[in-house]
Amino acid sequence: NAGVTQTPKFQVLKTGQSMTLQCAQDMNHNSMYWYRQDPGMGLRLIYYSASEGTTDKGEVPNGYNVSRLNKREFSLRLESAAPSQTSVYFCASHGDRVNQPQHFGDGTRLSIL
Amino acid sequence: AQSVTQPDIHITVSEGASLELRCNYSYGATPYLFWYVQSPGQGLQLLLKYFSGDTLVQGIKGFEAEFKRSQSSFNLRKPSVHWSDAAEYFCAVGAGAGNMLTFGGGTRLMVKP
Repeated sequence: NAGVTQTPKFQVLKTGQSMTLQCAQDMNHNSMYWYRQDPGMGLRLIYYSASEGTTDKGEVPNGYNVSRLNKREFSLRLESAAPSQTSVYFCASHGDRVNQPQHFGDGTRLSIL
Repeated sequence: AQSVTQPDIHITVSEGASLELRCNYSYGATPYLFWYVQSPGQGLQLLLKYFSGDTLVQGIKGFEAEFKRSQSSFNLRKPSVHWSDAAEYFCAVGAGAGNMLTFGGGTRLMVKP
């Protein structure tokens, strides 16, 4: 009964380092999302994937890339980390039926020094 | 584009008191509306959702919300708050089938004993 699993849970990087955040869901959902959460700003959409093989930019995509590896997995990559990317990152997934909400992982807390 | 405003950043209530968290949205069509709760260090958990029909929606943990189209509001209420309700609460509006969510900035609830 895992739902949405994110790894790692915590990470500290130095400016300029690269990193990939992993996300996997076991609910057979087509749609997956990456958000960042910053104090007072709620969650902002970075990228999303409506189905395997497709990705689209959200509200704040600059500095990030994504890969929809298969139906289960959706990764977020920081190629050259910057202090402004210090945040909590959440992955979510969504089924195809109208009345289904998004399901969230527990988040990755990322600090960039 | 849709937007969500949660006017109260912090709210403190006494245990056993009633609670109302405000949410105002802007969206050109019939909105899909959600309330999520986030406990410290956790992901977001769905409290309730509104898609259509009865404007008073019941959720988990004794919460309810009322959709008022004329006021563009979807306020969250609970008649008697418990200490375990201390958390951050997010209102969100969904586009289309609810796939694309726009979140408010969140309201942090503290509960006094």
